[in-house]
Amino acid sequence: QKEVEQDPGPLSVPEGAIVSLNCTYSNSAFQYFMWYRQYSRKGPELLMYTYSSGNKEDGRFTAQVDKSSKYISLFIRDSQPSDSATYLCAMSPRAGGTSYGKLTFGQGTILTVHP
Amino acid sequence: DAEITQSPRHKITETGRQVTLACHQTWNHNNMFWYRQDLGHGLRLIHYSYGVQDTNKGEVSDGYSVSRSNTEDLPLTLESAASSQTSVYFCASGDRVAEQYFGPGTRLTVT
Repeated sequence: QKEVEQDPGPLSVPEGAIVSLNCTYSNSAFQYFMWYRQYSRKGPELLMYTYSSGNKEDGRFTAQVDKSSKYISLFIRDSQPSDSATYLCAMSPRAGGTSYGKLTFGQGTILTVHP
Repeated sequence: DAEITQSPRHKITETGRQVTLACHQTWNHNNMFWYRQDLGHGLRLIHYSYGVQDTNKGEVSDGYSVSRSNTEDLPLTLESAASSQTSVYFCASGDRVAEQYFGPGTRLTVT
């Protein structure tokens, strides 16, 4: 079983829809939870990250972490065609030691927002 | 502007050949990472470095090596290329736990 599981989709929604992307994980040591966006044939770019549990909002994007359920989500409000990309969740243990900066990624969810 | 670059962007090589992929960053980050991306597996860590002369094995390090002689560069070498190493390779750097900056990737095909 993989440490991080993510539904690969693909997910297709109309413009303006609310999108929900999710990941589950099994490693209790994960403390940092990231969402990356990857456009076709490009490198991933960091969207936002959350430390430990809770919510974080940045414009149309909201990240949620529920450590008790080992479940994280990314919500996109008022989705736009420019949001069409692959979204990857990533996780990392607490800073320090030999695990510093080591990210474990989900498989990525392909999202298409059609006009 | 600071950036991270990879070369070549595309490479076709034959089984058994040695291949080196270059990664160069101008962020002055101490930490650098190499990942491979394959359908169904997401990004998997190959090797990483916390500074000059430091290298560490990641999740899928067999058949790969890295060396770090300066802060800016972390070349990835495939000692004897195999078809299973056909993939897209990404280099990343970042000194904060949750922030890594990725290069544009190298698409490698081993025939």
